Amino acid sequence: AQSVTQLDSQVPVFEEAPVELRCNYSSSVSVYLFWYVQYPNQGLQLLLKYLSGSTLVKGINGFEAEFNKSQTSFHLRKPSVHISDTAEYFCAVRYDMSNFGNEKLTFGTGTRLTIIP
Amino acid sequence: EAGVAQSPRYKIIEKRQSVAFWCNPISGHATLYWYQQILGQGPKLLIQFQNNGVVDDSQLPKDRFSAERLKGVDSTLKIQPAKLEDSAVYLCASSSVTGSPSYEQYFGPGTRLTVT
Repeated sequence: AQSVTQLDSQVPVFEEAPVELRCNYSSSVSVYLFWYVQYPNQGLQLLLKYLSGSTLVKGINGFEAEFNKSQTSFHLRKPSVHISDTAEYFCAVRYDMSNFGNEKLTFGTGTRLTIIP
Repeated sequence: EAGVAQSPRYKIIEKRQSVAFWCNPISGHATLYWYQQILGQGPKLLIQFQNNGVVDDSQLPKDRFSAERLKGVDSTLKIQPAKLEDSAVYLCASSSVTGSPSYEQYFGPGTRLTVT
């Protein structure tokens, strides 16, 4: 079965320090990859997405992610975090490339990023 | 542009009771999704509508869950009867473009259901 793995359930980071949130997926076919952020008591908001082309993708709020096909990874990075980055981050993958109209996303279990002042 | 609206935001019921959630997608969005997010897990798709037709309901527990989108706009998700394991946040999302890789799903704030 296809799956998305976020190994780190919680990541504490000091303010202004860099952070990397890891995401690995299982697939033998091409995929579309997404990172979503969920602030407390809110819905999910798209941070960035990889569809094709450059493997380095830049998103909102200073985040970026790099697609690595050989390692089936799509890790999220930010060079300097702020208190406002405290949230839950979800990696998601769309596998069904042949059935346009069925845009099912498979989500990872999430990583809770806590910024320490 | 108004976002995806959901109500209620919170609901507490006893097991075996019924409950309904409402979602109004972004105006003009043809595709609507319902997700279940259990604490400590990522969202899981329950059902996807394209206008008022069902595209995918393979993970919807049809013995107790039902959903409808009669006029192709707002949607209702119902649970009857509820079980303890149904405690979760129910997220509604919508998207405007299907058949395109660049689509984006916009999520509502969710309804937090607690079954006691």
